[in-house]
Amino acid sequence: LAKTTQPISMDSYEGQEVNITCSHNNIATNDYITWYQQFPSQGPRFIIQGYKTKVTNEVASLFIPADRKSSTLSLPRVSLSDTAVYYCLVAIRMDSNYQLIWGAGTKLIIKP
Amino acid sequence: EAGVTQFPSHSVIEKGQTVTLRCDPISGHDNLYWYRRVMGKEIKFLLHFVKESKQDESGMPNNRFLAERTGGTYSTLKVQPAELEDSGVYFCASSPGRGPYEQYFGPGTRLTVT
Repeated sequence: LAKTTQPISMDSYEGQEVNITCSHNNIATNDYITWYQQFPSQGPRFIIQGYKTKVTNEVASLFIPADRKSSTLSLPRVSLSDTAVYYCLVAIRMDSNYQLIWGAGTKLIIKP
Repeated sequence: EAGVTQFPSHSVIEKGQTVTLRCDPISGHDNLYWYRRVMGKEIKFLLHFVKESKQDESGMPNNRFLAERTGGTYSTLKVQPAELEDSGVYFCASSPGRGPYEQYFGPGTRLTVT
C-alpha cells in the first residue's frame, strides 16, 4: 500500500533555494507525482508534476531519482510570499481509475 | 474564468444536526473530487465524480455522508447526523481529466461540530 511522507515543517531565508522531499514507496513506473501549494484560507494550488527524472517550469523543479522512492520539489530563490504549506500527491494507476494519496503537507516558513 | 466555488465558507453545527456543503466546479470539468482535511493531518480523499456518476467513493467514512452531483454540474455533500469527528475543512476540486490531471481547488468549507 503506497504512502507519502513529507517533513512536517521547514525554515529558510529569502533568496535561498529550498528543497522539500517526499518519500513514496510502492509506486509504479508511470505513476505521477504532483506538488501543490496552499496558502491560509485557500485551497491547494498546482505547482508542478512529473513521473520521472526532472521537470522544470517557471516556478519550480521536480527531481525524481531512478528508484522513484522519493521526489524533491525545488524552489529557487524563495521569497517571503513562498511561505505556505506544500503537499506531495501521488496518483497511482489502478485499472481504469487512479488512487490519490496525499502527503500530510510541509509547512515552509521563509524568513527575511 | 470563474474558479471552483464552495458554500458555505464556514459552518458550525451541533452534534446530531445535518449540514449540506455545496461545490460548483469550473464549467466543463467532468471530474469533481471531495476531500477532507482534519487539523494537522493529510488531505484525505473522499470521493470522485465523473459527470453525475460516482467513479470512486472509497474514501467516504461511513453512511452518514451522502454526495450527489445532479446533472453533472454542482455537487453537494451532506453529513447526517454530524459527529464531532466530522469537523475539518472540506475541499472540492474539479479537473478536466482524471488521475494526474491538474486539480483546481475551491477555498474549502470549514465545518465545526460542537
